[in-house]
Amino acid sequence: ELKVEQNPLFLSMQEGKNYTIYCNYSTTSDRLYWYRQDPGKSLESLFVLLSNGAVKQEGRLMASLDTKARLSTLHITAAVHDLSATYFCAVGAGANSKLTFGKGITLSVRP
Amino acid sequence: NAGVTQTPKFQVLKTGQSMTLQCAQDMNHNSMYWYRQDPGMGLRLIYYSASEGTTDKGEVPNGYNVSRLNKREFSLRLESAAPSQTSVYFCATLSDWYEQYFGPGTRLTVT
Repeated sequence: ELKVEQNPLFLSMQEGKNYTIYCNYSTTSDRLYWYRQDPGKSLESLFVLLSNGAVKQEGRLMASLDTKARLSTLHITAAVHDLSATYFCAVGAGANSKLTFGKGITLSVRP
Repeated sequence: NAGVTQTPKFQVLKTGQSMTLQCAQDMNHNSMYWYRQDPGMGLRLIYYSASEGTTDKGEVPNGYNVSRLNKREFSLRLESAAPSQTSVYFCATLSDWYEQYFGPGTRLTVT
């Protein structure tokens, strides 16, 4: 059974500082997703990582994938209040990309 | 393009009542999914459909049925609602480049 773990579940960040959050998964997969969710809203796709060593960047967020270590990281550069949200990682399995989600990490950026 | 739409947005049911959640997409994607989201649990896959006329169980299918009426529409039916089915339900589709697009969600309360 595929398990996806995100730690910590809550992170308080200070504006302007850098942070990294992690996503570990238990079995081989070559598809890793990062989503953002604001309270009461749907999921917004941030990154789709499809191969070992893949790195993608969008604004202050950069995601990477190490399939050998079964680990993805999401690096936040110079945190700003607008990044406050819950971030989910999910791992895709099979041709139909059935997703298994982590429990999410709630990020709160304080002044 | 509307993307992925869901109806209704909110619903309150009494235990034992039935209802159907509707999902439609205009992106011409083959695969469609139903997830539920509970507090602190991330999203869990209920059912998915790889193509018109086919459906398969996900992680938590008990108490639900689905119908893939055509390529655009994928409905989720609760035959006899239970309080444990109180949740937020999301429909999603899969693009050719493995990205999943989520609908706005249906917030269901069963009393």
